[in-house]
Amino acid sequence: NSKVIQTPRYLVKGQGQKAKMRCIPEKGHPVVFWYQQNKNNEFKFLINFQNQEVLQQIDMTEKRFSAECPSNSPCSLEIQSSEAGDSALYLCASSLTGNERLFFGHGTKLSVL
Amino acid sequence: QQNVQQSPESLIVPEGARTSLNCTFSDSASQYFWWYRQHSGKAPKALMSIFSNGEKEEGRFTIHLNKASLHFSLHIRDSQPSDSALYLCAVRGGSGNKLIFGTGTLLSVKP
Repeated sequence: NSKVIQTPRYLVKGQGQKAKMRCIPEKGHPVVFWYQQNKNNEFKFLINFQNQEVLQQIDMTEKRFSAECPSNSPCSLEIQSSEAGDSALYLCASSLTGNERLFFGHGTKLSVL
Repeated sequence: QQNVQQSPESLIVPEGARTSLNCTFSDSASQYFWWYRQHSGKAPKALMSIFSNGEKEEGRFTIHLNKASLHFSLHIRDSQPSDSALYLCAVRGGSGNKLIFGTGTLLSVKP
């Protein structure tokens, strides 16, 4: 069973609505990644953190997407104004270091109607 | 910008067959190479990794890496129906530590 906990498992939003999903990384893992897996199974890197600091993020994330990993709270990814093209499985993963294997959660499946 | 491609897109093999999956990458400074497996409806899970040129074997699984040709591969010996899954290669480049995933190979092993 995955030790990376993602909530909710399913999220349904209308276009223009906010969508927020959360991730609790595996205990002791300071590095957290967010990926988007589309219906063609393509993985797109969105953002990663080490502790509370953003390491890298893509341009898409800088516009409508926001993410944070506050200390002693779950990490979160929020889409400010959902679009149909945002419908995908959002996967959170954690790691001991940036170079070790990633441990993934089961994901949040977002459907934007 | 790292470009990671996998071939074939999908593969159907009989039980007991040897299966070969391929991955090419574009950044010659890439340092870490992984294979992940995702069963339907499940979280992706790391299978194996390799960091230097050559071969690494773990049970029925073998990875080959050739940095000069920007290619690495996963070979499965005696494929089982339980190996049926989406296989993803992943590469960490020389700059930054984001892991870039390939396009995936959907493997189906028929009993």
